[in-house]
Amino acid sequence: AQSVTQLGSHVSVSEGALVLLRCNYSSSVPPYLFWYVQYPNQGLQLLLKYTSAATLVKGINGFEAEFKKSETSFHLTKPSAHMSDAAEYFCAVSVTGNQFYFGTGTSLTVIP
Amino acid sequence: DTGVSQDPRHKITKRGQNVTFRCDPISEHNRLYWYRQTLGQGPEFLTYFQNEAQLEKSRLLSDRFSAERPKGSFSTLEIQRTEQGDSAMYLCASSPRRVGSYNEQFFGPGTRLTVL
Repeated sequence: AQSVTQLGSHVSVSEGALVLLRCNYSSSVPPYLFWYVQYPNQGLQLLLKYTSAATLVKGINGFEAEFKKSETSFHLTKPSAHMSDAAEYFCAVSVTGNQFYFGTGTSLTVIP
Repeated sequence: DTGVSQDPRHKITKRGQNVTFRCDPISEHNRLYWYRQTLGQGPEFLTYFQNEAQLEKSRLLSDRFSAERPKGSFSTLEIQRTEQGDSAMYLCASSPRRVGSYNEQFFGPGTRLTVL
């Protein structure tokens, strides 16, 4: 079985500060890992994905994530937060590439 | 840009009524997925289709829920005898099939169901 755990349901950062959103996964086989962002009243948008290529993955809007097998982690970072980054962020894991398992989400607030 | 579309965007119904939602995937995508998202939670997988075949169903999909994808194009999700616990956002996603690779899922805006 696969699952993800997102530590911290709410994260607040100042504009311009580092963003760090945590995700730990559980999987018995090498997984595919994803980060999605959801703005209010909108569907999920893919930020980035890990598919067993490079362990440091760069995504859209300046976000990146590093796959660390030893720590079973896939934390999302951005060097400098922007007001427009305020949203809900979801980490997801998949083994088959079909059935996705999402975390409970982290709500990011950016303080001006 | 013809992304995934869902209709209706909002549905309010009384307990015990039946509701049906529609999802139109991206035209060249042959895989279609349904998820349910409740407040404060991530999306939970319900079912997925490859073309018209329903290949996986979650245990969350009780016998009151049924999904179809006739002709492998749009899909419908029907909930019979709705209960207040069915209140949630129902998300649809679609993906192309790439052999030997993962399938990136593109999500629609969702249908928000409120059962009174």
